[in-house]
Amino acid sequence: QKEVEQNSGPLSVPEGAIASLNCTYSDRGSQSFFWYRQYSGKSPELIMSIYSNGDKEDGRFTAQLNKASQYVSLLIRDSQPSDSATYLCAVNLDTGNQFYFGTGTSLTVIP
Amino acid sequence: KAGVTQTPRYLIKTRGQQVTLSCSPISGHRSVSWYQQTPGQGLQFLFEYFSETQRNKGNFPGRFSGRQFSNSRSEMNVSTLELGDSALYLCASSLDGYPGELFFGEGSRLTVL
Repeated sequence: QKEVEQNSGPLSVPEGAIASLNCTYSDRGSQSFFWYRQYSGKSPELIMSIYSNGDKEDGRFTAQLNKASQYVSLLIRDSQPSDSATYLCAVNLDTGNQFYFGTGTSLTVIP
Repeated sequence: KAGVTQTPRYLIKTRGQQVTLSCSPISGHRSVSWYQQTPGQGLQFLFEYFSETQRNKGNFPGRFSGRQFSNSRSEMNVSTLELGDSALYLCASSLDGYPGELFFGEGSRLTVL
């Protein structure tokens, strides 16, 4: 069964701290990995994609992928109150647009 | 550039009825996917259309169907509505060749009474 699991949280961090979000997936055939952010009452928006093992940095965000351990993580440095949202991990097995999403981790950044 | 447009935004139906939801993708995007979002299950993939053809299908009953038109606009239909169909239905479009770069619409919130 194709599953993507995330800690549902809620995760609370103080402003300026590093927020660490984790995701594990069950299908070793998974090829591409994504993090989406969803504000309350809004639709998801893509913030990071990662396709190969290692780290990928984009501004305050760093995605980490370890295919051997089947996990993906997202680090948010210098967390801001505007980062408060639900973060969704998504996994793709093939070149089509069929994605498996985790149920999301709710992050609150406390000013 | 206009985003993904979904209509209607909110609707209330009763059990046994059917519903049709519409999605207009971003101009130039030929892939349209549909997802169901509920608090307990999160985002679940329904189906994806590309160039008027269903390219992928999730694990939903046959009551859920969809189609795509030549202008890439897509519709999904749910027949014989059940209480458990109450959810936010999200449409996402993307450029082919960029898997995962989904641009979501604001969704259609369906309540089944």
